[in-house]
Amino acid sequence: KNQVEQSPQSLIILEGKNCTLQCNYTVSPFSNLRWYKQDTGRGPVSLTIMTFSENTKSNGRYTATLDADTKQSSLHITASQLSDSASYICVVSPFGSNYQLIWGAGTKLIIKP
Amino acid sequence: DTGVSQDPRHKITKRGQNVTFRCDPISEHNRLYWYRQTLGQGPEFLTYFQNEAQLEKSRLLSDRFSAERPKGSFSTLEIQRTEQGDSAMYLCASSLAQGDTNSGNTIYFGEGSWLTVV
Repeated sequence: KNQVEQSPQSLIILEGKNCTLQCNYTVSPFSNLRWYKQDTGRGPVSLTIMTFSENTKSNGRYTATLDADTKQSSLHITASQLSDSASYICVVSPFGSNYQLIWGAGTKLIIKP
Repeated sequence: DTGVSQDPRHKITKRGQNVTFRCDPISEHNRLYWYRQTLGQGPEFLTYFQNEAQLEKSRLLSDRFSAERPKGSFSTLEIQRTEQGDSAMYLCASSLAQGDTNSGNTIYFGEGSWLTVV
């Protein structure tokens, strides 16, 4: 069964600190892996998208890595800001699918001043 | 603003009533998706369109749900005879897909339409 699992479920860090969120998936083969940020009550916003052949992608203070051999991805946030408080969701698209996205449950990140 | 827009943002309705949501995708995006999301859960796929053609429909989409994209631009999602279990956020998304897969293309989401059935 295609699954995407994220850890930790929630995380609290102080403003200015770095953090790393994890994503393990069983979707195989897959065509791309995406990270989305979702504020409570709002639609998801795309942070990064990586194809199976890429192993890192940056977007400002966000850096995503991908290890297709171990089926793991991580999202690293540098110098966190209060506005980073949100859920971060890992999403995997199976190879050949033109619509299917397998969503993780997300990591709820809280940044404290 | 040229993002995906949804209307209304919030809707409270009595059980048994019909509701309709509208989605305006990013201009020239050929793919349009509808998802449903409840608190603490990831979005669940409902249906998607390639231009005006509805190409896939989830089993979650009961007979009470219908979606259209008549001219390949905006889309509507109608829920008939609403039930309390329909209470959720309905998300619309769009993308510009090249070819048959969505490999590599960013999918942009709207802010969602919150439905509360009382």
